[in-house]
Amino acid sequence: GDSVTQMEGPVTLSEEAFLTINCTYTATGYPSLFWYVQYPGEGLQLLLKATKADDKGSNKGFEATYRKETTSFHLEKGSVQVSDSAVYFCALSERGSYIPTFGRGTSLIVHP
Amino acid sequence: GAGVSQSPRYKVAKRGQDVALRCDPISGHVSLFWYQQALGQGPEFLTYFQNEAQLDKSGLPSDRFFAERPEGSVSTLKIQRTQQEDSAVYLCASSFPVGGEGTEAFFGQGTRLTVV
Repeated sequence: GDSVTQMEGPVTLSEEAFLTINCTYTATGYPSLFWYVQYPGEGLQLLLKATKADDKGSNKGFEATYRKETTSFHLEKGSVQVSDSAVYFCALSERGSYIPTFGRGTSLIVHP
Repeated sequence: GAGVSQSPRYKVAKRGQDVALRCDPISGHVSLFWYQQALGQGPEFLTYFQNEAQLDKSGLPSDRFFAERPEGSVSTLKIQRTQQEDSAVYLCASSFPVGGEGTEAFFGQGTRLTVV
């Protein structure tokens, strides 16, 4: 079955540091890929997405590129802020399935 | 409402008690999902509705779990004879249109169930 593997956290960074959170996936078909973010006390919300190979999703300074050859969708940000502290979830949904499959989440802690 | 609403936000149940968790999706959203999220884990799929039809319930962990969406809007997840291993956050999400490439799921804040 489909699965998503994320790097374990917590990831602890100083403000303005570069962020990478690794995500790889296993899928039987050609999925859409997502990053969701969960801020403290809030529900999951979509951060960015990509629907085909080599697409780059971007939002709020975060980026991720759909790499079919390496089955990866790594999340990056050039300069993190304290307000980026949250849990980040990589997810996929197969075409025709409609049901998102999530990774276990990676906690990001950014210190001033 | 503006978003997906879940109630109650917190529920403490004694082992063996039945519980009912409610989800109000975004108005007009066709798809509705329930997920279970254990502490430190990602959301695990439980069941999926398209309007009032339950199209997939493969993630329900046992026959003690039951979900319904009788009029294609509000959904209820019921857990009978709760066990300690049922303690988790239960998430509801909705989306529109029906699936398709890159369809975003909108999540509620979840119901934290603690079985004592």
